[in-house]
Amino acid sequence: DVKVTQSSRYLVKRTGEKVFLECVQDMDHENMFWYRQDPGLGLRLIYFSYDVKMKEKGDIPEGYSVSREKKERFSLILESASTNQTSMYLCASSLTLMNTEAFFGQGTRLTVV
Amino acid sequence: QKEVEQNSGPLSVPEGAIASLNCTYSDRGSQSFFWYRQYSGKSPELIMSIYSNGDKEDGRFTAQLNKASQYVSLLIRDSQPSDSATYLCAFTGANSKLTFGKGITLSVRP
Repeated sequence: DVKVTQSSRYLVKRTGEKVFLECVQDMDHENMFWYRQDPGLGLRLIYFSYDVKMKEKGDIPEGYSVSREKKERFSLILESASTNQTSMYLCASSLTLMNTEAFFGQGTRLTVV
Repeated sequence: QKEVEQNSGPLSVPEGAIASLNCTYSDRGSQSFFWYRQYSGKSPELIMSIYSNGDKEDGRFTAQLNKASQYVSLLIRDSQPSDSATYLCAFTGANSKLTFGKGITLSVRP
């Protein structure tokens, strides 16, 4: 079974802090994604990566950056956390971009106070 | 125009009925289409994928794709209370993004 693991289930951070969300997958998938999910807004793509050290902006990249130094790990970085970044963050991975299932991690509920 | 639109919800059907969920998309370059199910407090999980025009059946689920009209639908036959969840359509566009709709919440009444 594919396993996508996010480093924290719940996280509380202060405004202005630099925040790191980590995601690791164990199936040698090429592609990894970061989404945030908010009530009424659905899943919105922040960034995705199709290869090590490669990244592409999604629909809402502002205030975020990503890092993919190794194939299995994709990190989301909030450069200076703000209260409007309070959300559920979901990481996903897939074997190829076009025709394969994306598997999701368990999610990280981030609260910025 | 939003990239993907799902019919407004929530949707409530009685047990045993057919639930019909619809989704339209704007990117004509889209090639792969998916339906995910998300239970409350859980992460999305894939239930159907469809890549060519027509119907694809898997048990009680049927996905329908019409690329000319740019819509994809999901039919759930013999709906069960365990089908109560949020259903998300998704597609991979020409730019390789995996884009999701906002989701529709289905409630199956016993």
